[in-house]
Amino acid sequence: SQQGEEDPQALSIQEGENATMNCSYKTSINNLQWYRQNSGRGLVHLILIRSNEREKHSGRLRVTLDTSKKSSSLLITASRAADTASYFCATVPSNFGNEKLTFGTGTRLTIIP
Amino acid sequence: DTGVSQNPRHKITKRGQNVTFRCDPISEHNRLYWYRQTLGQGPEFLTYFQNEAQLEKSRLLSDRFSAERPKGSFSTLEIQRTEQGDSAMYLCASRPFGGGTPDTQYFGPGTRLTVL
Repeated sequence: SQQGEEDPQALSIQEGENATMNCSYKTSINNLQWYRQNSGRGLVHLILIRSNEREKHSGRLRVTLDTSKKSSSLLITASRAADTASYFCATVPSNFGNEKLTFGTGTRLTIIP
Repeated sequence: DTGVSQNPRHKITKRGQNVTFRCDPISEHNRLYWYRQTLGQGPEFLTYFQNEAQLEKSRLLSDRFSAERPKGSFSTLEIQRTEQGDSAMYLCASRPFGGGTPDTQYFGPGTRLTVL
């Protein structure tokens, strides 16, 4: 079953604008990760944030984590056409030995040139 | 290309037939994972291996599904007596355990199964 929900389900913006997508989850986590998936292909890891971190940056990506609200957000700045993809958050539970990634339902991002 | 590879990329089969997919992980990655993704949804965990040992199986993995990793390198996922509900993308991922980027899994391109 899916761990949580992502919001919005779909987002269309003009190239150059910033895109923000949100993820909510249900259980205590060790870390939260964001992945990108292009049109029915495999997933590419973007960024990982640990439960004791509140914000992390990687290039044009900024991720925040609020464990009290069990939510995270991904900000993509200065969007490009190549950013068009589906974005998924995935959580790793906090209980030791639990290996599996539990994915959200995804946000489909379309960048309009 | 040294990434995770999966074969075949696409498989169309008739209901009731058996199918087998193969995953070749990144060399030296001792953990290997299988996920299933249906249209419009995020991937769902099926099972994972540490070397040749299968350590966890999801309840999604019914008796018709079997996964192996006989020599701790490549893995196969077999579905027997396929049903239309098995139509999905089957994703494989791998990662090194005890080294590399913690908890980051590297995904293959997937095998898209269509059951007619």
